[in-house]
Amino acid sequence: AQSVTQPDIHITVSEGASLELRCNYSYGATPYLFWYVQSPGQGLQLLLKYFSGDTLVQGIKGFEAEFKRSQSSFNLRKPSVHWSDAAEYFCAVGPLSGYSTLTFGKGTMLLVSP
Amino acid sequence: SQTIHQWPATLVQPVGSPLSLECTVEGTSNPNLYWYRQAAGRGLQLLFYSVGIGQISSEVPQNLSASRPQDRQFILSSKKLLLSDSGFYLCAWSARDNQPQHFGDGTRLSIL
Repeated sequence: AQSVTQPDIHITVSEGASLELRCNYSYGATPYLFWYVQSPGQGLQLLLKYFSGDTLVQGIKGFEAEFKRSQSSFNLRKPSVHWSDAAEYFCAVGPLSGYSTLTFGKGTMLLVSP
Repeated sequence: SQTIHQWPATLVQPVGSPLSLECTVEGTSNPNLYWYRQAAGRGLQLLFYSVGIGQISSEVPQNLSASRPQDRQFILSSKKLLLSDSGFYLCAWSARDNQPQHFGDGTRLSIL
């Protein structure tokens, strides 16, 4: 069965500092990977996705993520965090082909300190 | 462009009362539709998904049901709400299997 682990429940980063949110997945085939962001009381917004090609993908709001097959990871990064980035971040995985639903991690809450 | 609408945004209901949450998608046809429940610290729990009118798959047996009476309409219902049904409910759509899911703004349901 597919699974997603986000090992950090909370992370605090100073404004202007770099950010890396970890995501590890377990999947028996080539995965389709996503990162979403959720502001309080809102729905989830897609930041970026990966399904093939360059393992470093660019997303919206200055985020990027790198797919590392050998480590089963898809970590999210941003070089300089802004206070408006404070939110909860979810990693998700699904199969590249065939029918199945996405599996989401439990999320990482990002706090940004001044 | 495609949009997804969920309502109401917040709802307070007594235990034992019925429930109906509605979700509609505009700007696309034959979408996959999903209902999730989100509890603090527990991520997203997929409740139901649908690949077409009248086709509903349930992921978790529970007090809730879903229906898809029209191509772009997805309804979450309950005949008698329980305290444990409290939570944040999210509707989502995708163009087809394994494409990114796009979420509505959610409904905060409180059971008293």
